[in-house]
Amino acid sequence: EDKVVQSPLSLVVHEGDTVTLNCSYEVTNFRSLLWYKQEKKAPTFLFMLTSSGIEKKSGRLSSILDKKELFSILNITATQTGDSAVYLCAVSSNFGNEKLTFGTGTRLTIIP
Amino acid sequence: DTAVSQTPKYLVTQMGNDKSIKCEQNLGHDTMYWYKQDSKKFLKIMFSYNNKELIINETVPNRFSPKSPDKAHLNLHINSLELGDSAVYFCASSQVTGLGGAFFGQGTRLTVV
Repeated sequence: EDKVVQSPLSLVVHEGDTVTLNCSYEVTNFRSLLWYKQEKKAPTFLFMLTSSGIEKKSGRLSSILDKKELFSILNITATQTGDSAVYLCAVSSNFGNEKLTFGTGTRLTIIP
Repeated sequence: DTAVSQTPKYLVTQMGNDKSIKCEQNLGHDTMYWYKQDSKKFLKIMFSYNNKELIINETVPNRFSPKSPDKAHLNLHINSLELGDSAVYFCASSQVTGLGGAFFGQGTRLTVV
């Protein structure tokens, strides 16, 4: 069975700090790894990673994938209170069709 | 325009009732999904449809029956609701290759009392 594990489960930091969120996975027929941000409602798409070693960047957020060691990290620099959310990692597997297996998420809280 | 829209947003109902949740996407995507998010915020796939055809059914009880009248709609009907069905149900859609990630609706919070 496909498995996605995220760590830490929760993280509390002060505004301005840099954080690193981790995601490790075990899936058959890996296609891509995705990061989502979930505030109060729907998860919103952040990044999709398919190739090892290529950093994806969007503003203060960046992410990288290691397909050999089966993990990904999501970095957030100069954190702001608006970054407070649950960050979800999901892996797409070619299980006959598209299928996302989600981790349990990391709850990030930014203290002003 | 809302890309993936679900109705209703909130649903409170008694055990044993039958209820439906509707979902529509205007993104032109080929694939639609239903996910269940439990009280611990764990998101788990329930069903996947590609062009109206059921692709994935993740050991969901028979009381849950998805219906896709066309590729822009995927509705979820639940019979004989149980307390354990209380959760947030998310509809999502993506292109068949899935390379763009899935776009989620705002969720339907179902509470069974």
